[in-house]
Amino acid sequence: GQQVMQIPQYQHVQEGEDFTTYCNSSTTLSNIQWYKQRPGGHPVFLIQLVKSGEVKKQKRLTFQFGEAKKNSSLHITATQTTDVGTYFCAGRSGGYQKVTFGTGTKLQVIP
Amino acid sequence: GAGVSQTPSNKVTEKGKYVELRCDPISGHTALYWYRQSLGQGPEFLIYFQGTGAADDSGLPNDRFFAVRPEGSVSTLKIQRTERGDSAVYLCASSLRAGGSSGANVLTFGAGSRLTVL
Repeated sequence: GQQVMQIPQYQHVQEGEDFTTYCNSSTTLSNIQWYKQRPGGHPVFLIQLVKSGEVKKQKRLTFQFGEAKKNSSLHITATQTTDVGTYFCAGRSGGYQKVTFGTGTKLQVIP
Repeated sequence: GAGVSQTPSNKVTEKGKYVELRCDPISGHTALYWYRQSLGQGPEFLIYFQGTGAADDSGLPNDRFFAVRPEGSVSTLKIQRTERGDSAVYLCASSLRAGGSSGANVLTFGAGSRLTVL
């Protein structure tokens, strides 16, 4: 079945440093979504990418969808302590509406 | 309702017992998803409903797990003969619909039901 992997699994950064997480799917995706889960919380939607090569920005966050629609990345510029949490990508493939979540990247920001 | 509501928030049971977990989605959302999340892991897909029917139940681990959504709104996840390995947080999410790319397919999650099997 479809597998979605993310690297790295954990990332510790000093406040103000940049952070990037990479998402790779075993199958071509029709779209990809990103979610953030704070410690003790539930996943909360951040953004959706649909088109090949698409790039979207939300303040300090930049999201990219690969040309082959099998990978994606999330880049955070100048991290803040409020960025702490686990970031998940989640994808749909083909005509299926099953949403498969990635393995997640846990971000810790050191003040 | 305003958000996705899940009950109970915590359930402790003994091995071999039967458990029901309830999800009340956002009013008007036709798609409903169940996931299971173990500590330090990503949400693991179990099943999703489009309306009353289970559109994809490929993630249910075995026949001890069953879910229903009889009126296309509230859903119940049922686990028979619970095992210690079933311990996890069970997350429910709903979206306006399952398909499309306009944002109607964005998942809104509930707070989850933490199941502990002793």
